Amino acid sequence: SAVISQKPSRDICQRGTSLTIQCQVDSQVTMMFWYRQQPGQSLTLIATANQGSEATYESGFVIDKFPISRPNLTFSTLTVSNMSPEDSSIYLCSVGAGGWEGHNEQFFGPGTRLTVL
Amino acid sequence: KQEVTQIPAALSVPEGENLVLNCSFTDSAIYNLQWFRQDPGKGLTSLLLIQSSQREQTSGRLNASLDKSSGRSTLYIAASQPGDSATYLCAVGSFYGNNRLAFGKGNQVVVIP
Repeated sequence: SAVISQKPSRDICQRGTSLTIQCQVDSQVTMMFWYRQQPGQSLTLIATANQGSEATYESGFVIDKFPISRPNLTFSTLTVSNMSPEDSSIYLCSVGAGGWEGHNEQFFGPGTRLTVL
Repeated sequence: KQEVTQIPAALSVPEGENLVLNCSFTDSAIYNLQWFRQDPGKGLTSLLLIQSSQREQTSGRLNASLDKSSGRSTLYIAASQPGDSATYLCAVGSFYGNNRLAFGKGNQVVVIP
């Protein structure tokens, strides 16, 4: 398994500002994933963050809005830029552990609950 | 695009009854399927992982089955307890997707003491 921590656990932000969310893993992993869970909805993948290369974004998500850093094999940040109330969600990071990293069990952090006023 | 559906969206059962949660997916080219539990306002806890070559997985009171050809998985929770009250999420790992998961909207479960 993998133990994942996220900071902050929650925040309330003003429209137009930016928030950076940190994700720390207790083991080295090549791929880290960022998901969004809007109120009453399921999880949607935002991007895959690989160490040493640019993040790969899913359809509907762009780097200018959600810049990601991946400075080493245990850490990543997601920034939510120029926020609007529609960005109010839970943001979760995840990693795979055990077996072949391309298709193994996924573990999730506790999430960051963001409210934009 | 993989579509994952979970039925029923919500259910309430008396304590001691068995729970049956259903998950269906549209693309059978999957690598694995994972069941998670989510408590209100919290992250996800992994419950069971089933590889595409497997038919079922068991952990304690939990049993998950997989029928890849028909695009279905079922999570059974035996002898439900109030502590089982949570949302259960089904997530499908694409064969081509490098661990990218497609999630259903979840089964919201309330176990009544």
